[in-house]
Amino acid sequence: EPEVTQTPSHQVTQMGQEVILRCVPISNHLYFYWYRQILGQKVEFLVSFYNNEISEKSEIFDDQFSVERPDGSNFTLKIRSTKLEDSAMYFCASSEATGGPYEQYFGPGTRLTVT
Amino acid sequence: KNQVEQSPQSLIILEGKNCTLQCNYTVSPFSNLRWYKQDTGRGPVSLTIMTFSENTKSNGRYTATLDADTKQSSLHITASQLSDSASYICVVSANGAGSYQLTFGKGTKLSVIP
Repeated sequence: EPEVTQTPSHQVTQMGQEVILRCVPISNHLYFYWYRQILGQKVEFLVSFYNNEISEKSEIFDDQFSVERPDGSNFTLKIRSTKLEDSAMYFCASSEATGGPYEQYFGPGTRLTVT
Repeated sequence: KNQVEQSPQSLIILEGKNCTLQCNYTVSPFSNLRWYKQDTGRGPVSLTIMTFSENTKSNGRYTATLDADTKQSSLHITASQLSDSASYICVVSANGAGSYQLTFGKGTKLSVIP
């Protein structure tokens, strides 16, 4: 069964450093998403991406964040200058379509630890 | 502001027993409601998706209900198994002005014990 994959599974970085989190969505999906989950808290929407551009973003997704689809398979989230409060689990998801009851398939997540 | 509230926060049940988890939401305009299962340290996995017109949806031992008038949903788990131990998250999707964001509840942490 196709699945969303994410790398690395765990990333440790120092405050102020740039990190890139990588995702490979399911191959025939057109919509891609990033979510984050701070330890012990709920999952929060960051951004959705379609047709090589951001279709929607939340208040959390400020200028420190950017997303890119550098090739036909990868989808990346970049955090330019990490802060302690960026420590969280980051989930990538993908779906065939949006705006209705379309499944979003989540990856296993990348645990980001900022020290 | 769109919100999803779940109860109870946590629940411990004996293997083989049934349980029901609750979800109340204030998401508008409503598009659909989802229940996800999330194992510790893993990504959420979809159990059911229900639109406005659906009252009940089943997926094996999981049955979700939706009352769009009262903005309440429940997830009933029948004949629980040890592998059901996880967080169960209620997620509501809005659909308005081009916004299709998912709003997540905090989840109910279910522990099934032998």
